[in-house]
Amino acid sequence: SQQGEEDPQALSIQEGENATMNCSYKTSINNLQWYRQNSGRGLVHLILIRSNEREKHSGRLRVTLDTSKKSSSLLITASRAADTASYFCATDEKGWKAAGNKLTFGGGTRVLVKP
Amino acid sequence: NAGVMQNPRHLVRRRGQEARLRCSPMKGHSHVYWYRQLPEEGLKFMVYLQKENIIDESGMPKERFSAEFPKEGPSILRIQQVVRGDSAAYFCASSPVSSQPQHFGDGTRLSIL
Repeated sequence: SQQGEEDPQALSIQEGENATMNCSYKTSINNLQWYRQNSGRGLVHLILIRSNEREKHSGRLRVTLDTSKKSSSLLITASRAADTASYFCATDEKGWKAAGNKLTFGGGTRVLVKP
Repeated sequence: NAGVMQNPRHLVRRRGQEARLRCSPMKGHSHVYWYRQLPEEGLKFMVYLQKENIIDESGMPKERFSAEFPKEGPSILRIQQVVRGDSAAYFCASSPVSSQPQHFGDGTRLSIL
């Protein structure tokens, strides 16, 4: 499978419920980021977690990172209809020669929050 | 502070024509990245540029595709002699330094007739 694979591919929940999605990757990373994409729009950065961090919170978002399992999860609590979007994890590979921030994206999780 | 601006938002070309996609990074950002997204898929890295320099173009096809980020003006992704398989959404992102999160534009949707 590719670097940064999300699971599940699609998720349908009721407003107020929690949404959890997972991401697996293959190489050693500097950090992992989660992005949201609304239909027809660009990506919006949600949260960045560094390789030496295990958990991070931002509002209704909670991200975990397990570098031993090369996996991350994104939890959206008390979901709203406006959370309907595709969610992508992205990793930057440790030791990339250009020392830049070349991101490798997974295929995304499409989340539908029903009112 | 305006975000990353891409134009045009939609571009239609016939096979064999040239496509030019423009990206103006956020003010103060000197790192620009181009990605391509096929329907129902994630973004795939194409090229990373700093002012007047291509830092990494490992994700860009060797033929027909080129990118630049001149000292003045926007970054340009150029596709010559387009083919149907070039149909995709092309996104530009920028960051102030390489270690900071990237900010994305709304993309250019390229359709090849």
